[in-house]
Amino acid sequence: GAGVSQSPSNKVTEKGKDVELRCDPISGHTALYWYRQRLGQGLEFLIYFQGNSAPDKSGLPSDRFSAERTGESVSTLTIQRTQQEDSAVYLCASSLGAGGGGASHTQYFGPGTRLTVL
Amino acid sequence: GNSVTQMEGPVTLSEEAFLTINCTYTATGYPSLFWYVQYPGEGLQLLLKATKADDKGSNKGFEATYRKETTSFHLEKGSVQVSDSAVYFCALSDPNTGNQFYFGTGTSLTVIP
Repeated sequence: GAGVSQSPSNKVTEKGKDVELRCDPISGHTALYWYRQRLGQGLEFLIYFQGNSAPDKSGLPSDRFSAERTGESVSTLTIQRTQQEDSAVYLCASSLGAGGGGASHTQYFGPGTRLTVL
Repeated sequence: GNSVTQMEGPVTLSEEAFLTINCTYTATGYPSLFWYVQYPGEGLQLLLKATKADDKGSNKGFEATYRKETTSFHLEKGSVQVSDSAVYFCALSDPNTGNQFYFGTGTSLTVIP
């Protein structure tokens, strides 16, 4: 596609329910990132996928959070037993990933999913 | 490890004023440096980048120079406009550590007419 897309754009859920957020990266991008942005705050890294390597899960805040990626395409972020503190905008980004020459590739962000836990 | 520290906001300027938003970094290797901008109600988008020391990134009148000696990547604009009101994020990516990105906490800029 032309850019990174995310769905849904907005999600309102009740405390204790599970939610699944979806990210479609730019075609051909091997790297995919999930971030969380709480109101008025910066980006909080959650998880990073690079090709077929094991994902970097070091940013996941608890075992209620998990993410999967199918090959080099769609990724889903799942939050189980949601809590009110999970309310935030969840951002996905993709990039060409590791390449030759030592220069990093630009990340391209999706519009985000705004999650509200009541 | 890798980290980014940027100037805390919020910053409020009058139109046509000079802007500087400071950003310094710590990195284990030779990172690429980025400025991202988030306009109200929109997603993050790349503003400019520099991939090696002494490179200058520029876009929309904004500039930033990669200074290895001071580990800095300060964002500047000579004359801000109301439309520049946004949150600005400094970021680094170190290709030697798998291309993970490290973002600063963001600096909110409001430009008043």
